[in-house]
Amino acid sequence: DAGVTQSPTHLIKTRGQQVTLRCSPKSGHDTVSWYQQALGQGPQFIFQYYEEEERQRGNFPDRFSGHQFPNYSSELNVNALLLGDSALYLCASSLGPYDNEQFFGPGTRLTVL
Amino acid sequence: GNSVTQMEGPVTLSEEAFLTINCTYTATGYPSLFWYVQYPGEGLQLLLKATKADDKGSNKGFEATYRKETTSFHLEKGSVQVSDSAVYFCALGDSGAGSYQLTFGKGTKLSVIP
Repeated sequence: DAGVTQSPTHLIKTRGQQVTLRCSPKSGHDTVSWYQQALGQGPQFIFQYYEEEERQRGNFPDRFSGHQFPNYSSELNVNALLLGDSALYLCASSLGPYDNEQFFGPGTRLTVL
Repeated sequence: GNSVTQMEGPVTLSEEAFLTINCTYTATGYPSLFWYVQYPGEGLQLLLKATKADDKGSNKGFEATYRKETTSFHLEKGSVQVSDSAVYFCALGDSGAGSYQLTFGKGTKLSVIP
């Protein structure tokens, strides 16, 4: 049973660039949530996708956007990168938006120089 | 809004010592509570969960009981091992109140020395 997968593992970008991160949910899951984890902090919710729509959003600017595909996989896009966007980006999947139990992927480590 | 407060680390214990990591929460609804563990360089792994008051979650020797009266979900283990060294996060999910996100504490780093 495949768990949540994310790509790439690591990424280095410069300020002002754009980045796309990818996530495939756990088999059987249809809901994907994205979190940002700064060094030494707990994960912060960015947004959740279900039925190819953004269902809920945390306190993140519009530079952060996403997409969900018909196969339930998802992308996180960040435009106009800032130094402060450097973090571990975690994808989590669940069986529907009302399922509190979320399973996490290994994350993508983004470094902005 | 929802929030989670957990004891700050780092916590350093000798092997076979007793572990307690405190966690308290504030929620508008009737949340589910979780403990996640993060090993160095990795994502989060679900350690245990409890979905209603007085439920006890347990896994790999770790336990936590959902205490509604004290809004707490403290993590305990009777005898820690070096392999338990990791960062532990307490979290709550409150989808019944319309919040689909997990709200996390800041994490507690545990180091177990031989």
